[in-house]
Amino acid sequence: KAGVTQTPRYLIKTRGQQVTLSCSPISGHRSVSWYQQTPGQGLQFLFEYFSETQRNKGNFPGRFSGRQFSNSRSEMNVSTLELGDSALYLCASSLGALSSWDTQYFGPGTRLTVL
Amino acid sequence: QKEVEQNSGPLSVPEGAIASLNCTYSDRGSQSFFWYRQYSGKSPELIMSIYSNGDKEDGRFTAQLNKASQYVSLLIRDSQPSDSATYLCASGGADGLTFGKGTHLIIQP
Repeated sequence: KAGVTQTPRYLIKTRGQQVTLSCSPISGHRSVSWYQQTPGQGLQFLFEYFSETQRNKGNFPGRFSGRQFSNSRSEMNVSTLELGDSALYLCASSLGALSSWDTQYFGPGTRLTVL
Repeated sequence: QKEVEQNSGPLSVPEGAIASLNCTYSDRGSQSFFWYRQYSGKSPELIMSIYSNGDKEDGRFTAQLNKASQYVSLLIRDSQPSDSATYLCASGGADGLTFGKGTHLIIQP
């Protein structure tokens, strides 16, 4: 079974621009969660989507948004990029919602650099 | 604010010895706990999950949970150089996973 895939793998943007990242979950998985990983803050939860609905949201500004499509694929958008948004963005999929404690499987991540 | 605390290390262990990794969590409402391994430049990979007090063993790995002390540990027996990585502890609730910043483990040949 194919794993979680993320595109693109690397991205360079400038301050003020916006970016869209894509995540395709493992086939059959309905929950997709997004995380930001930085050396200083570690791995931080952004939000979870399940059945096209945002179920949970971490402590991030409204510039970070996402959506999920009927095939469970998810996109994350960051508007008005700031230097501090440079990070590894990871998505993880699971069969059920986070509240079901199903195992989360991580994708390879998208490395975003903001100049 | 929910927090998961881990010693950042590095923790250096001789090959063949037992590596002991620890974490504490702040949210008493957490119901699930996970250990992920992350190699440099790679994404996290689930090693163990544990939901109830006590020990859970899987091969060379044993996870231990003590909810009263809000403490989770991971023991790695017969440590191998391939175990060298950063180990992330996470606690889970209905609103998502909270990760520690990880412990960098080095297995010395």
